[in-house]
Amino acid sequence: GDSVTQMEGPVTLSEEACLTINCTYTATGYPSLFWYVQYPGEGLQLLLKATKADDKGSNKGFEATYRKETTSFHLEKGSVQVSDSAVYFCALKTSYDKVIFGPGTSLSVIP
Amino acid sequence: DTAVSQTPKYLVTQMGNDKSIKCEQNLGHDTMYWYKQDSKKFLKIMFSYNNKELIINETVPNRFSPKSPDKAHLNLHINSLELGDSAVYFCASSHRVVRVAGYEQYFGPGTRLTVT
Repeated sequence: GDSVTQMEGPVTLSEEACLTINCTYTATGYPSLFWYVQYPGEGLQLLLKATKADDKGSNKGFEATYRKETTSFHLEKGSVQVSDSAVYFCALKTSYDKVIFGPGTSLSVIP
Repeated sequence: DTAVSQTPKYLVTQMGNDKSIKCEQNLGHDTMYWYKQDSKKFLKIMFSYNNKELIINETVPNRFSPKSPDKAHLNLHINSLELGDSAVYFCASSHRVVRVAGYEQYFGPGTRLTVT
């Protein structure tokens, strides 16, 4: 069945370090792909998205490219800040409108 | 303006009780969802309604019953609460029709349910 796999956390980085959170998926058809972020005590909010192969989503310095050949959608940021500390979820939307979330990756950025 | 709101934010109750969580969205979306997030942050879909019609009903105990009085509201009623029901419950909404840019879900702030 359809699924999303993310690298396990927690991930701890120093401020201004580079971030990569790996995400791979299994899906039939052509899903849309998303990254959501959950700050402490809050609900999830969309960070970025891509709807077809080779699309690049970007927002707040984060980027992810929809790679159909490797079924991946890795999240990257060149220089993280303390305010980026949160849980990050990779997700896909299937052709039958179901959204499947990965297990989440907790990121802590220390000054 | 709050896009997706949930009440209550916190709910502490005893085993065996019946409780409800309410959700409202003012985004004009036609699809609403309930998710359960466990202590490890794992997010699992429970239900989805499109235009008041149930379209996704995952393997959830029948003690959980969603009710959608209109497109803007999706409430969750839980009977005979158990310890394992303790979690954070999130409501979300979206457009169902895929647009050129795709669609995303908008989440409420969550309801932390603690069953003692």
